[in-house]
Amino acid sequence: ETGVTQTPRHLVMGMTNKKSLKCEQHLGHNAMYWYKQSAKKPLELMFVYSLEERVENNSVPSRFSPECPNSSHLFLHLHTLQPEDSALYLCASSQAVREVGYTFGSGTRLTVV
Amino acid sequence: QKEVEQDPGPLSVPEGAIVSLNCTYSNSAFQYFMWYRQYSRKGPELLMYTYSSGNKEDGRFTAQVDKSSKYISLFIRDSQPSDSATYLCATRDQGGKLIFGQGTELSVKP
Repeated sequence: ETGVTQTPRHLVMGMTNKKSLKCEQHLGHNAMYWYKQSAKKPLELMFVYSLEERVENNSVPSRFSPECPNSSHLFLHLHTLQPEDSALYLCASSQAVREVGYTFGSGTRLTVV
Repeated sequence: QKEVEQDPGPLSVPEGAIVSLNCTYSNSAFQYFMWYRQYSRKGPELLMYTYSSGNKEDGRFTAQVDKSSKYISLFIRDSQPSDSATYLCATRDQGGKLIFGQGTELSVKP
């Protein structure tokens, strides 16, 4: 497999559930990102990892918890989410942090009920 | 004021039309300007990028930056139904963070 792979593609969860989103990149990149995409709004950067170290956390609520066990894998752990957290969550990677060209995965469509 | 503004559309054009997609940005210090294309149920993919002012051409696509007016454009010649997607403009701030516009939804009708 090539590129950036995200699982699951769709997720419906209740506000009291705990779930995790997974991202895997097969590009040998050193930086990985989580973005939130809501309808008619710009992409919102959530977290940035460089060589497994978190380098940025953009005032994201603590109900979102990222994990980067190695440079190829990135997780987003979710707990006690709110309906307004329903969105498309996109993972991206780049050769180095803040390079111009990011490679995005297809995203996880999250619905919180 | 938003750092990058983009008309969300939707924009509908007939096949073969010339499409013009536009963004404005607020900070004159921005240097890199990008266009991403996002098909339905897919993530964005980098289409092209330019550094500073000027034009860049790639096949039917031309990216243009006018730094004096802080205006970014993407032109698509001979548009095809396969060009139907959401187009996101983006720029990079001094800290290297990418800042995206809301995206313009384009539909090219056969």
